Amino acid sequence: AQSVTQLGSHVSVSEGALVLLRCNYSSSVPPYLFWYVQYPNQGLQLLLKYTTGATLVKGINGFEAEFKKSETSFHLTKPSAHMSDAAEYFCAVTPFGGGNEKLTFGTGTRLTIIP
Amino acid sequence: KAGVTQTPRYLIKTRGQQVTLSCSPISGHRSVSWYQQTPGQGLQFLFEYFSETQRNKGNFPGRFSGRQFSNSRSEMNVSTLELGDSALYLCASSLAWGARSGNTIYFGEGSWLTVV
Repeated sequence: AQSVTQLGSHVSVSEGALVLLRCNYSSSVPPYLFWYVQYPNQGLQLLLKYTTGATLVKGINGFEAEFKKSETSFHLTKPSAHMSDAAEYFCAVTPFGGGNEKLTFGTGTRLTIIP
Repeated sequence: KAGVTQTPRYLIKTRGQQVTLSCSPISGHRSVSWYQQTPGQGLQFLFEYFSETQRNKGNFPGRFSGRQFSNSRSEMNVSTLELGDSALYLCASSLAWGARSGNTIYFGEGSWLTVV
């Protein structure tokens, strides 16, 4: 079964600095990968997803992620952090090719922005 | 286009009672999934329904059940509530079920359940 590991349960960056949130997956075949964001007291919102094709995926709010098969990674980045980016971020995976598998989430990374 | 709607947003129940949560999916979506979110366990999959049939189930006791109606609306029920059932319950909808073709699921804002 596939799984994802998010390194760092808490990440703090200064406003205007680079945001880097790490996600590594475990799967024998490259899976489909997702990043979701959860703002306080809200549900999860899809930031971006990778299925096939271009390995650099652009999402909403200036975020992007790069699928690296050799490193089994799908790290989320944003060049310049904004106060409104403070939230919890979840990486998620489903197996390539479909099937009956459910979406499996990582444990989340809470991003704090320092003014 | 309206998103996933969950009701109620907040509720408090007493241990031993039962609770029913409701979810209306995005128009045209036929799959509804339910997740439980707690600080200790994170996001855990409960079950998924498609065309009124349960297609997938997580590792939760039988006290947790769900159903889907012909209009794709879904309800989940928890009987004999325990303190540990206090959580945010998230509903999500999608066009297809399972992981087909990178099927994307869209979440509602959740129902906060507190068991006292």
